[in-house]
Amino acid sequence: QKEVEQDPGPLSVPEGAIVSLNCTYSNSAFQYFMWYRQYSRKGPELLMYTYSSGNKEDGRFTAQVDKSSKYISLFIRDSQPSDSATYLCAMRMDTGNQFYFGTGTSLTVIP
Amino acid sequence: DSGVTQTPKHLITATGQRVTLRCSPRSGDLSVYWYQQSLDQGLQFLIHYYNGEERAKGNILERFSAQQFPDLHSELNLSSLELGDSALYFCASSVTSGNTEAFFGQGTRLTVV
Repeated sequence: QKEVEQDPGPLSVPEGAIVSLNCTYSNSAFQYFMWYRQYSRKGPELLMYTYSSGNKEDGRFTAQVDKSSKYISLFIRDSQPSDSATYLCAMRMDTGNQFYFGTGTSLTVIP
Repeated sequence: DSGVTQTPKHLITATGQRVTLRCSPRSGDLSVYWYQQSLDQGLQFLIHYYNGEERAKGNILERFSAQQFPDLHSELNLSSLELGDSALYFCASSVTSGNTEAFFGQGTRLTVV
């Protein structure tokens, strides 16, 4: 079993829709939870990160962490065609330097 | 532009050969991470260097090695290449060794034929 599981999609939504992206994990030691966005032929870019449980909001993006369920989510409100990309979740423990990535979910927002 | 520079962007080589991938971190960043991204495996952590010292190893094959030089740039050496080594190789950098905010380069696409 992989440490981080992510549905690869692809996910296709109309412009303006609310998008929900999710990851599950198995290691209860993970404390830092990150979401990266990767456009085609580009490197991943950090969207946001949260520490431990709770929610974090940044503009149209909201990250949620439920440590009891080992489940994290990224919500995108009022989705735009420019949001079309692959979204990767990543996690890290308090100690150690290794990031554990999901395989990514491909999202297409149709105008 | 993340500020992390990787060269070359593309590399095509034959099986059994050896290649070197180069990474220049963002100005001021002391940490360099190397990742391999393939279609079926996603982003796999290979190795982490901090200020010239190896800090963590992930799923890095013995045929692969890396180093970080005094000027903080890093090189990833891949030898005895196999078809399965074809992938995107990313370098990321961050200010400290425990920093959550790592910035990725554009990657080197390696094709082994």
